[in-house]
Amino acid sequence: EADIYQTPRYLVIGTGKKITLECSQTMGHDKMYWYQQDPGMELHLIHYSYGVNSTEKGDLSSESTVSRIRTEHFPLTLESARPSHTSQYLCASSGGMAEAFFGQGTRLTVV
Amino acid sequence: AQSVSQHNHHVILSEAASLELGCNYSYGGTVNLFWYVQYPGQHLQLLLKYFSGDPLVKGIKGFEAEFIKSKFSFNLRKPSVQWSDTAEYFCAELRRDTGRRALTFGSGTRLQVQP
Repeated sequence: EADIYQTPRYLVIGTGKKITLECSQTMGHDKMYWYQQDPGMELHLIHYSYGVNSTEKGDLSSESTVSRIRTEHFPLTLESARPSHTSQYLCASSGGMAEAFFGQGTRLTVV
Repeated sequence: AQSVSQHNHHVILSEAASLELGCNYSYGGTVNLFWYVQYPGQHLQLLLKYFSGDPLVKGIKGFEAEFIKSKFSFNLRKPSVQWSDTAEYFCAELRRDTGRRALTFGSGTRLQVQP
C-alpha cells in the first residue's frame, strides 16, 4: 500500500539548533503540504507545493522553510529552533482535486 | 472569520447514542468537503468526502454526511456510536474554483463515547 512517511515521530531539541523534519510519499502525488497542529486545535497550513521546485507559504506564518527537489520528498527545516516552535507538524500529499493523505506527524519539543 | 466552522468542540455520548457533528463552510463557490478522523495516537484518516452528485455521502465505519448547499453545511452523522469512535473529528473544505489546492480545516470536535 502506498503511504506517506514522516521522521522522526518525536523530537526534543535545544533552542538554537537546526532541525529538518522529513516527509516522503510513495503515491506519486504532485501536491504536498505541511500543517501545524497544537494539541486539541485545528490544523494550520504553513507550506505547500504543487510540484518539483514549487513551494508556497501557507495561511500561518512560519519561520520554517521547505524544499521540493524530488516529487516524493518534501522536507521542512528550522534554521534555529525556539520554544515557540513546539508543536506537531503534519505532512500530507494529494493528487488532482482528491483528498489529502496524512503522515503520522512529528511532535517537536524545543527546550 | 473562519472559513470552516465546527461549533461543537467537545461532545460526550453514551454507546448506542446517535451522533451529529456540525460543520459549516463560508465559501460560496464550488467546494469539495471532507470529514477526517484522528484516533488517539494515530494519523488523520479520511472518513468520507463530497465532490458532487448525491448530497448524502456514506463513509467508513457507518458514518454519513449530508451536503446542504443552501445552509453551507456538511454535518456528520452516525446512528449508533461505539466506544471505539472516541476520537477527534475534523471537517475540511477544498475550494475547486480558486488557485488554492490545499485543504482548510475546522477547529475539530473531540468526541468521547462512554461505555
